[in-house]
Amino acid sequence: DAKTTQPPSMDCAEGRAANLPCNHSTISGNEYVYWYRQIHSQGPQYIIHGLKNNETNEMASLIITEDRKSSTLILPHATLRDTAVYYCIVRPPRGVRSTTGNQFYFGTGTSLTVIP
Amino acid sequence: GAVVSQHPSRVICKSGTSVKIECRSLDFQATTMFWYRQFPKKSLMLMATSNEGSKATYEQGVEKDKFLINHASLTLSTLTVTSAHPEDSSFYICSAGAANYGYTFGSGTRLTVV
Repeated sequence: DAKTTQPPSMDCAEGRAANLPCNHSTISGNEYVYWYRQIHSQGPQYIIHGLKNNETNEMASLIITEDRKSSTLILPHATLRDTAVYYCIVRPPRGVRSTTGNQFYFGTGTSLTVIP
Repeated sequence: GAVVSQHPSRVICKSGTSVKIECRSLDFQATTMFWYRQFPKKSLMLMATSNEGSKATYEQGVEKDKFLINHASLTLSTLTVTSAHPEDSSFYICSAGAANYGYTFGSGTRLTVV
């Protein structure tokens, strides 16, 4: 089952930063936070993942709180093509055995709409 | 990067027939693949975990005789929807893991049963 909660929807002005929050208060010590997004009628696309340090790549930044109970995905300059449903998922990394399984369970996600 | 190819992208079939969906990892080997279904405006629901060379593990409430999964090689898993009915119409998505890329998802298969 999904172990994350996200707001159902958010709007963001084009060119501004989009900050998408995620709560994962029951996260285990070896579980990473993954972010994926799904554009309508396509498969989910990997964005970023992290354990406890903040991460940045060409797509986004991931800020994880010190207690690891929540995180924020930041799209620094949102474009219209960033309109999608964003999913926050917690699970162990590949290759790490887990008693709870290594599956990706999707929550309800946040539907982000970038407004011109 | 890691690419997962899913085929077909769309299929329409008659009620009572069976449909096979293929999921291929194109440039990497995947010992584990996942199969999901997604209804309109809903999130992805994990159906089963496909393990190469062994039986698939199904999530609670998913009928294994209805949704047959075969993972005969490290690059191919298939999902067969047997005796399809209109309520099986959905968007089916597979996912496979690669060492340096985490898990990559296919582009999905839109199944319509008429």
